[in-house]
Amino acid sequence: SQKIEQNSEALNIQEGKTATLTCNYTNYSPAYLQWYRQDPGRGPVFLLLIRENEKEKRKERLKVTFDTTLKQSLFHITASQPADSATYLCALGYGNNRLAFGKGNQVVVIP
Amino acid sequence: KAGVTQTPRYLIKTRGQQVTLSCSPISGHRSVSWYQQTPGQGLQFLFEYFSETQRNKGNFPGRFSGRQFSNSRSEMNVSTLELGDSALYLCASSSRTGDTEAFFGQGTRLTVV
Repeated sequence: SQKIEQNSEALNIQEGKTATLTCNYTNYSPAYLQWYRQDPGRGPVFLLLIRENEKEKRKERLKVTFDTTLKQSLFHITASQPADSATYLCALGYGNNRLAFGKGNQVVVIP
Repeated sequence: KAGVTQTPRYLIKTRGQQVTLSCSPISGHRSVSWYQQTPGQGLQFLFEYFSETQRNKGNFPGRFSGRQFSNSRSEMNVSTLELGDSALYLCASSSRTGDTEAFFGQGTRLTVV
């Protein structure tokens, strides 16, 4: 069956360190992958999109990689700040413009 | 420009009733998608509309339906509500379908009692 896996355990990280989140998938052939941030009680906010023919994308302190052989994406937040504390969702774009989301991984940045 | 607006923000309904949720996309966006979010299942795709046509549908029962109007505003309807329908319902708009960012609304929190 199709699965998108993100770590269900919260990632606690010291301010200033790099947070790295993993998104693994099975039985999907995504044409692209997106990362969103979601704060409690709010809708997700788009962060980055990476296409299947791209290896890496950066935006300010954020970096995402996409390995279609490993069926994995890594999401990095460098120089993390308490304001980065949130839940981060990966989403796969596949098929006829469908978007499938992982359940999210919570990040807690400790001052 | 104004973001995606969903109304109402909160709703309490009784089992067996029906409910209609509304979504106004960002001006100029023609694609509207709906998602159900629960703690156990995460974000699950309900359906997508583009220029008043349903383009995609997720694996939800026929009690869940939607439509899109000529001004791109969208509504979703859930009939014969069940306790398990309690969730945050999110609407997202995009300028086009495919590999482009989606802009989400704040959601409608539906509680079925």
